[in-house]
Amino acid sequence: EVQLLESGGGLAQPGGSLRLSCAASGFTYSSFSSFVMNWVRQAPGKGLEWVSSVSGNGGTTYHADSVKGRFTASRDNSKNMLYLQMNSLRAEDTAIYYCAKGDCGTPSCFNDWFDPWGQGTLVTVSS
Amino acid sequence: DIQMTQSPSSLSASVGDRITITCRASQTMNTYLNWYQQKPGKAPKLLIYSASTLQSGVPSRFSGSGSGTDFTLTISNLQPEDFATYYCQQTYSTPRTFGQGTKLE
Repeated sequence: EVQLLESGGGLAQPGGSLRLSCAASGFTYSSFSSFVMNWVRQAPGKGLEWVSSVSGNGGTTYHADSVKGRFTASRDNSKNMLYLQMNSLRAEDTAIYYCAKGDCGTPSCFNDWFDPWGQGTLVTVSS
Repeated sequence: DIQMTQSPSSLSASVGDRITITCRASQTMNTYLNWYQQKPGKAPKLLIYSASTLQSGVPSRFSGSGSGTDFTLTISNLQPEDFATYYCQQTYSTPRTFGQGTKLE
């Protein structure tokens, strides 16, 4: 059973930076590098917002317009790790950040789905 | 970007009821539509993918249908553990947009 565990959340000042990590485990017959990995966030009391996706080999990334140029998703397949580098943080970035495994190898594939999800890590941006 | 609109935003129901949630896409997207359930303080959980395929372990009282732009999630014989918020998501294109959610209470 694949399990995901996020870390790295906390309090950051506006304009500051944080780096989130997502540790993946439980890949048996298939490799971590075979699957797209995603970041999704949820502001307090709000709905789900897709943030970014990284291809299985890490060579292709997509980011939401709301974070483009400030956030960078990456992965280290040798460690089964996913990362989200968040720079120039704003108050509106305050949210729980979830990592989620996709079922495709590339972020642009059709018919993908997110499963499983990690438990999330809270990022608070405030002075 | 494809916009996903769920209705209703909230829904009151009772144990044993049958309910339907609708998700409409701003453009046609075949059957590339997923449904998730989220309970308070928990991560979302995949219920249905490809519009109508039940994820392993999900009770058969959940069902999904639709294609193109209009999709539905139906829960038959509501159980106490089904009271949660439900989200649809399209994966026809990036960004992988979600509906705004439907709170079942």
